[in-house]
Amino acid sequence: GDSVTQMEGPVTLSEEAFLTINCTYTATGYPSLFWYVQYPGEGLQLLLKATKADDKGSNKGFEATYRKETTSFHLEKGSVQVSDSAVYFCALQISGNTPLVFGKGTRLSVIA
Amino acid sequence: DTAVSQTPKYLVTQMGNDKSIKCEQNLGHDTMYWYKQDSKKFLKIMFSYNNKELIINETVPNRFSPKSPDKAHLNLHINSLELGDSAVYFCASSQGELAKQYFGPGTRLTVT
Repeated sequence: GDSVTQMEGPVTLSEEAFLTINCTYTATGYPSLFWYVQYPGEGLQLLLKATKADDKGSNKGFEATYRKETTSFHLEKGSVQVSDSAVYFCALQISGNTPLVFGKGTRLSVIA
Repeated sequence: DTAVSQTPKYLVTQMGNDKSIKCEQNLGHDTMYWYKQDSKKFLKIMFSYNNKELIINETVPNRFSPKSPDKAHLNLHINSLELGDSAVYFCASSQGELAKQYFGPGTRLTVT
């Protein structure tokens, strides 16, 4: 079946460090790919998305590129801030109004 | 204005009880979902409704029964609650192909 694998957390970084959270997927079709973020005590928010190969999604300094050849969608940010501390979820969606298939989430803690 | 709202936000109850969680969206979306997030933050789809009809019912115990009285509401009723039902339950909605899903704030259910 369709699945998403994320790197295990927690990830702890100092402020202004470079962030990479790895995400790979397995899908029967050509999925759309997403990164969702969950701040402490809140629901999920869409961070960025890409709908086809080589698309780059970006938002709030975060970027991820849809790599079909490596079935990956790694999340990166050049300089993290304390306010980026949250749980990050990689997800895919195959088609239509189908539910998202989530990875297990990666907790990021940024310390000043 | 809250796009997707859930009530209650917190629910503490004893094993064996029956409880309901309500979800409402004011976005005019035609598809709504229930996701379960366990203690390890793993998110998984439970149900999906499109235009008040069940379109996906993942393998969940039949103690869980979703009900959609209209397109704007998707409630989750749980019978004979068990310890393992303790989790955060998220409602979400979307409209159209590969659309962004909007998540509610979650309902933290604790079964004692």
